[in-house]
Amino acid sequence: DVKVTQSSRYLVKRTGEKVFLECVQDMDHENMFWYRQDPGLGLRLIYFSYDVKMKEKGDIPEGYSVSREKKERFSLILESASTNQTSMYLCASSLLGASTDTQYFGPGTRLTVL
Amino acid sequence: GEDVEQSLFLSVREGDSSVINCTYTDSSSTYLYWYKQEPGAGLQLLTYIFSNMDMKQDQRLTVLLNKKDKHLSLRIADTQTGDSAIYFCAEIKDSNYQLIWGAGTKLIIKP
Repeated sequence: DVKVTQSSRYLVKRTGEKVFLECVQDMDHENMFWYRQDPGLGLRLIYFSYDVKMKEKGDIPEGYSVSREKKERFSLILESASTNQTSMYLCASSLLGASTDTQYFGPGTRLTVL
Repeated sequence: GEDVEQSLFLSVREGDSSVINCTYTDSSSTYLYWYKQEPGAGLQLLTYIFSNMDMKQDQRLTVLLNKKDKHLSLRIADTQTGDSAIYFCAEIKDSNYQLIWGAGTKLIIKP
C-alpha cells in the first residue's frame, strides 16, 4: 500500500512565523502535490513537483514556496504565516503524469495561524 | 473556464440509496474520479471512470457518466453510517494532468 505521511496533524503558529510542512511518500512516486482545503472551496492546488528539484505553481501559490530535494520528500514553506493561511493542508503523490494517474493523499495538517 | 460543481450537502436515511451529482466543464477530460474523505482523515480514491464508459459498477457503488451533459454521478446502494464522509468529484486536465476538484459533497446519514 502507498503511504503518504505528513509531519504534523495539527499545528498552531503565530503571524509572521516561518512554517514548514513536510510530506513523505514511500512508493517512489515522481509527482507530489500540495493542496489546501477550505470549507465550500474544495481542494485548491498550491504547488506540485514532477521530479526532484522541479516545481510548478498551482492555482494559489502566493505566500507559499516548496522544496523537493529528494524524491520521497516534498516540503511546503510559508515564509511569513498570515491568518488567511489557516487551513487544512493536504499532500498527495502519484506515480506518473498520465491521465490514468491516481493521487494518494496524506492525512492532512490542520494549520492555525494566530 | 474550468469548474467542477457539486452540492455541498446530501442527507439520506440509512438503508436508502445516495446519489451524489457532479457537473464538469472540460469536455476533453479522459478520466473522472470520486474521492472519499472520512472525518479526520485524508482523501482516498473511491472509484474512477474512463470517459468512453457510461457506467461503472463496483459492489455498492455505481458511477454514471453523461458525457454530452458533462454530468457525473455516484450512487451508493444501501447507505450505511460508515458511508458518512465528504465525497469529491474530480476531472483530469489533459493538458498538464492536473486534477480539477469539486468543493465536495458532505453525505449525512440519518438513522
